[in-house]
Amino acid sequence: DVKVTQSSRYLVKRTGEKVFLECVQDMDHENMFWYRQDPGLGLRLIYFSYDVKMKEKGDIPEGYSVSREKKERFSLILESASTNQTSMYLCASSLLEGRDTQYFGPGTRLTVL
Amino acid sequence: ILNVEQSPQSLHVQEGDSTNFTCSFPSSNFYALHWYRWETAKSPEALFVMTLNGDEKKKGRISATLNTKEGYSYLYIKGSQPEDSATYLCALATGNQFYFGTGTSLTVIP
Repeated sequence: DVKVTQSSRYLVKRTGEKVFLECVQDMDHENMFWYRQDPGLGLRLIYFSYDVKMKEKGDIPEGYSVSREKKERFSLILESASTNQTSMYLCASSLLEGRDTQYFGPGTRLTVL
Repeated sequence: ILNVEQSPQSLHVQEGDSTNFTCSFPSSNFYALHWYRWETAKSPEALFVMTLNGDEKKKGRISATLNTKEGYSYLYIKGSQPEDSATYLCALATGNQFYFGTGTSLTVIP
């Protein structure tokens, strides 16, 4: 079974802090994704990566950056957290291109005070 | 950005009832339509992947159909059980990314 893990289930941070959300997958998947989910909105893609050290902006990249130094790990970075970044963050991975099933982690609920 | 819509937004049914919900999308130019089940405090779980017009998939009491010409997919649950309570998401796979609907939240009342 594919396993995608995220470093924290719940996180509380203060405005202006630098925040790291970590995601690890154990199935040697090429693609990894970061989404956020807010009430009344579908999952929205922040960034994705199709290879080590490669990254592509999704639909809402502003205020975020990412890092993929190893194939199994994809980090989402909030350089200076703001209250409007309070959200549920989900990481996903897939083997090949966009059509492949994405496998999700359990999510990190981030609250920025 | 593609606008994928799901209806209804939420649904409450009695145990044993059958139910269905809809995923609508504007484009016939996509790779696949995915359905996920997302239970509270768990990871979204893949249910079905459908690619061709007329596709029908089944997994136990849950089934799904795809109509690419009119731009919709239906998810059916026969004889709902409390463990079916979850949010059901559909996603259109196009290019390098998925576009998700807002989900249908299903509550099955024992």
